[in-house]
Amino acid sequence: EAGVAQSPRYKIIEKRQSVAFWCNPISGHATLYWYQQILGQGPKLLIQFQNNGVVDDSQLPKDRFSAERLKGVDSTLKIQPAKLEDSAVYLCASSLDSASYGYTFGSGTRLTVV
Amino acid sequence: AQSVTQLDSQVPVFEEAPVELRCNYSSSVSVYLFWYVQYPNQGLQLLLKYLSGSTLVKGINGFEAEFNKSQTSFHLRKPSVHISDTAEYFCAVNDYGGSQGNLIFGKGTKLSVKP
Repeated sequence: EAGVAQSPRYKIIEKRQSVAFWCNPISGHATLYWYQQILGQGPKLLIQFQNNGVVDDSQLPKDRFSAERLKGVDSTLKIQPAKLEDSAVYLCASSLDSASYGYTFGSGTRLTVV
Repeated sequence: AQSVTQLDSQVPVFEEAPVELRCNYSSSVSVYLFWYVQYPNQGLQLLLKYLSGSTLVKGINGFEAEFNKSQTSFHLRKPSVHISDTAEYFCAVNDYGGSQGNLIFGKGTKLSVKP
């Protein structure tokens, strides 16, 4: 079974620039999550999709972050404009419907804003 | 609101020694509990999970964890660690009775195994 694919692996941008991350979940996984992991902290949920609908985006800074999951498969997360404090690893995860399955995580995208 | 506390940010241990990584959670409803491991520059990998039934859960790589409802704890243990166990370990909780099903993570414990 192929894992969760993310790209790019690394990205360095200047503050106020925009950036986009891509995620392809495991085939058949209806639920997709984007997490932000700042150095020294645990992952924090940004947004949760069920198929192509948003379930929870309460912690997404909507003034600069946006995400979409067209056709209920791939997803993109965008930051515009980026701030220094957005430097983090952005993790995508997917799961089957039930909360009991746990998640499968991708390798993440490490973003550095300078 | 649910939360997870990992009591130790760093745990150094010698190879072949036993180790325990501590995790406490708070939640007003029933929970699922998870331990994940993160190797450098990689995503998180599921070690084990508690859903129901036996309070002692066995996972991959020789790890096990015990769910203690009265103490709201889910400590991770391994009787004999290897150099390759050096990584960061995250405890996570899902209050399936009260939310849409997302995981709340602790801040992580860095396990450093020395020869």
